[in-house]
Amino acid sequence: RKEVEQDPGPFNVPEGATVAFNCTYSNSASQSFFWYRQDCRKEPKLLMSVYSSGNEDGRFTAQLNRASQYISLLIRDSKLSDSATYLCVVTRASNYGQNFVFGPGTRLSVLP
Amino acid sequence: DTAVSQTPKYLVTQMGNDKSIKCEQNLGHDTMYWYKQDSKKFLKIMFSYNNKELIINETVPNRFSPKSPDKAHLNLHINSLELGDSAVYFCASSQVDSRGVWFGETQYFGPGTRLLVL
Repeated sequence: RKEVEQDPGPFNVPEGATVAFNCTYSNSASQSFFWYRQDCRKEPKLLMSVYSSGNEDGRFTAQLNRASQYISLLIRDSKLSDSATYLCVVTRASNYGQNFVFGPGTRLSVLP
Repeated sequence: DTAVSQTPKYLVTQMGNDKSIKCEQNLGHDTMYWYKQDSKKFLKIMFSYNNKELIINETVPNRFSPKSPDKAHLNLHINSLELGDSAVYFCASSQVDSRGVWFGETQYFGPGTRLLVL
């Protein structure tokens, strides 16, 4: 089982739709959590950090449930420019320090 | 100003050749990383250096040798290139001290080097 798993996708949604991404992680020692987005042929970029209390940034809402080892990302009123691959990322301590572990990503296409 | 830069952006080479990819960050971070993203788009860490010292070395063939001349640079040298090495290689940096204590900043990625081995 992969350490970080995500919805396989792709998600094809019309503009204005609300879309939710799910992510689970297997290592209970995971310490920090993020959502990144990666546009086609570009580098991953931080979208938002995820806190236990949940956090919102405009149309984006992230939730973390440590007990269930589950992370979610909700995008409201989706725009064409939201089309990208969304990567769930967790960090965990290792013998060498912090490891950033990336999920396989879920691709989103927002259609006109 | 570019925070994390990589050169070259594209690299096409023959099997068996030796090649290097360079990475530089101007963020003042102590830790740098190399990731490989294969054709299935899965991003996997290869190496991490903290203040020029290797701190993460995942299961990577020893044909791959990272070198960090200073904490702002982390280069990747690949010997005897194989077809399966074709991928996008991303450099990244973050602020983590030598004990692995992470200061809460995330990673910043370079634009990637697209390597094609023929």
